[in-house]
Amino acid sequence: DGGITQSPKYLFRKEGQNVTLSCEQNLNHDAMYWYRQDPGQGLRLIYYSQIVNDFQKGDIAEGYSVSREKKESFPLTVTSAQKNPTAFYLCASSQLAGVVEQYFGPGTRLTVT
Amino acid sequence: KQEVTQIPAALSVPEGENLVLNCSFTDSAIYNLQWFRQDPGKGLTSLLLIQSSQREQTSGRLNASLDKSSGRSTLYIAASQPGDSATYLCAVAYGNKLVFGAGTILRVKS
Repeated sequence: DGGITQSPKYLFRKEGQNVTLSCEQNLNHDAMYWYRQDPGQGLRLIYYSQIVNDFQKGDIAEGYSVSREKKESFPLTVTSAQKNPTAFYLCASSQLAGVVEQYFGPGTRLTVT
Repeated sequence: KQEVTQIPAALSVPEGENLVLNCSFTDSAIYNLQWFRQDPGKGLTSLLLIQSSQREQTSGRLNASLDKSSGRSTLYIAASQPGDSATYLCAVAYGNKLVFGAGTILRVKS
């Protein structure tokens, strides 16, 4: 099956710890994205990558880091510098040309206490 | 600043009713516009994508229109069903970056 997988579905961490969220796609898409969703709000872009070993900051990149060592994978690290990390995190991917439609994974709910 | 607004924030209708969800955007230089459905605790499912050169798209009971000049899109749902209950999100693409509205929470009562 083609699609985007995110793991784990639920993640619990203590304040002050870094945590890495996984995102993998087998759609052969060039671009990948990380979004954050808070209750009652739309999605906000954290980081995106259009090619391996390159990525750009989105609107709310502070306290987050990413890597893109393989086309299929785009992990997101939530660092201890992120002041309010509890949220629902969504990964997406798309082609870069033609019909640029973004496809989303099932999300990871992170709770930091 | 590129902003997307969705009205209403929540909507409750009886089964069988036709309904319209609204989306407005401040920057009309869009690449495309997508409507998504999100069930509680789940990811987003793409419903319809309208390219900037198109006026509307249809899929089953769903019809989405786009008016770039006025900065508006509508999602029309015909003969609503309880299974349509979800949050509907509008997202406007500027290049390959999406700007999302806050969504409309729809409840269809049986």
